[in-house]
Amino acid sequence: RKEVEQDPGPFNVPEGATVAFNCTYSNSASQSFFWYRQDCRKEPKLLMSVYSSGNEDGRFTAQLNRASQYISLLIRDSKLSDSATYLCVVNSGGYQKVTFGTGTKLQVIP
Amino acid sequence: EAGVTQSPTHLIKTRGQQATLRCSPISGHTSVYWYQQALGLGLQFLLWYDEGEERNRGNFPPRFSGRQFPNYSSELNVNALELEDSALYLCASSAVRQETQYFGPGTRLLVL
Repeated sequence: RKEVEQDPGPFNVPEGATVAFNCTYSNSASQSFFWYRQDCRKEPKLLMSVYSSGNEDGRFTAQLNRASQYISLLIRDSKLSDSATYLCVVNSGGYQKVTFGTGTKLQVIP
Repeated sequence: EAGVTQSPTHLIKTRGQQATLRCSPISGHTSVYWYQQALGLGLQFLLWYDEGEERNRGNFPPRFSGRQFPNYSSELNVNALELEDSALYLCASSAVRQETQYFGPGTRLLVL
């Protein structure tokens, strides 16, 4: 099993739709989690951290399910500008390496 | 505040040559990470430096090496370049180990 797994997509959704991505991780000792956004041929940029209690930033909501070992990202009222690849990141603490998922591609269509 | 900077932005080399890529972290950040992203693929972890020491490395051959300087900037060296080393090389930094990483714009390496 991969350390971090994401559905590569693409998810093609119409403007205004709600879309959700999941990311599963294998190391139950993982300590912190993040979602990054990567536009085509650009560097990844931090979208949001994922807290145990869940967190929301405008149209974006991130949640953590430790029991089932996955994190999720929900995007409401999708905009064309949300089209990108969304990467989940899992930190295992100490000097264990940080692991990036391979990303889920989202395409919002007019 | 300046972000992570990388140089050069583009690098063209031929097979067998050596490449040196440079990264300057955000001021105050002590950890530097290197990643390789081949076209259409995900980020592959290469190396992690913290406080001048190599803390972890990914599943890459020894011809990928690097170092971190006292000012926390870092250098990635790739020896005996192969065609499949062509990729975007991203550097990221964080304030303390395992905290949020901030990426530089990357160096695009093309091996001919």
